[in-house]
Amino acid sequence: DAEITQSPRHKITETGRQVTLACHQTWNHNNMFWYRQDLGHGLRLIHYSYGVHDTNKGEVSDGYSVSRSNTEDLPLTLESAASSQTSVYFCASSDSWDVSGANVLTFGAGSRLTVL
Amino acid sequence: DQQVKQNSPSLSVQEGRISILNCDYTNSMFDYFLWYKKYPAEGPTFLISISSIKDKNEDGRFTVFLNKSAKHLSLHIVPSQPGDSAVYFCAASAASNTGKLIFGQGTTLQVKP
Repeated sequence: DAEITQSPRHKITETGRQVTLACHQTWNHNNMFWYRQDLGHGLRLIHYSYGVHDTNKGEVSDGYSVSRSNTEDLPLTLESAASSQTSVYFCASSDSWDVSGANVLTFGAGSRLTVL
Repeated sequence: DQQVKQNSPSLSVQEGRISILNCDYTNSMFDYFLWYKKYPAEGPTFLISISSIKDKNEDGRFTVFLNKSAKHLSLHIVPSQPGDSAVYFCAASAASNTGKLIFGQGTTLQVKP
């Protein structure tokens, strides 16, 4: 079955370190997204990509970067981790539409990152 | 500026009764509204959606109502079941922003047996 996989599921790191969260999907979806979930804020968009070599900034992109070298992967990099980046990170992909016409995102299980 | 708001952080209902989750939005350019359900340690899963040209969409026990003039939507779950206990996120998108969803803060629903 097609799926979207995030790794690692849990990570603890120190302030200032570079961290990369992996996202791999086998749906062959062109559109991929990274969100972070924080209490009181819901899910906020970090970066997104509509295809290979395409990347775009979302609502909360400062301190994060992504690259898209193939259809399957969209790794999220924190160049210099900060305590404010402690969060749960969700990767999502989409290329499907509900009967209403809405573009539906399929999410991974999440990566919990703690920055000490 | 929160474009999608869920003002009730939590809701508790009795099994078999109706659960009503509310969502307000500010951007009149939104064309689609979606509800996602999230269990602990899992990613959000799609539940139901509605186009801005509709005022109601129903799927089994789940119905979403849209009031465009009030910029308000609600999710009704009838009858509520203990397995419905989860965090529910309201989300919105504009047709021009393919796949980009703006989420609300979420409402934690607890259905008591």
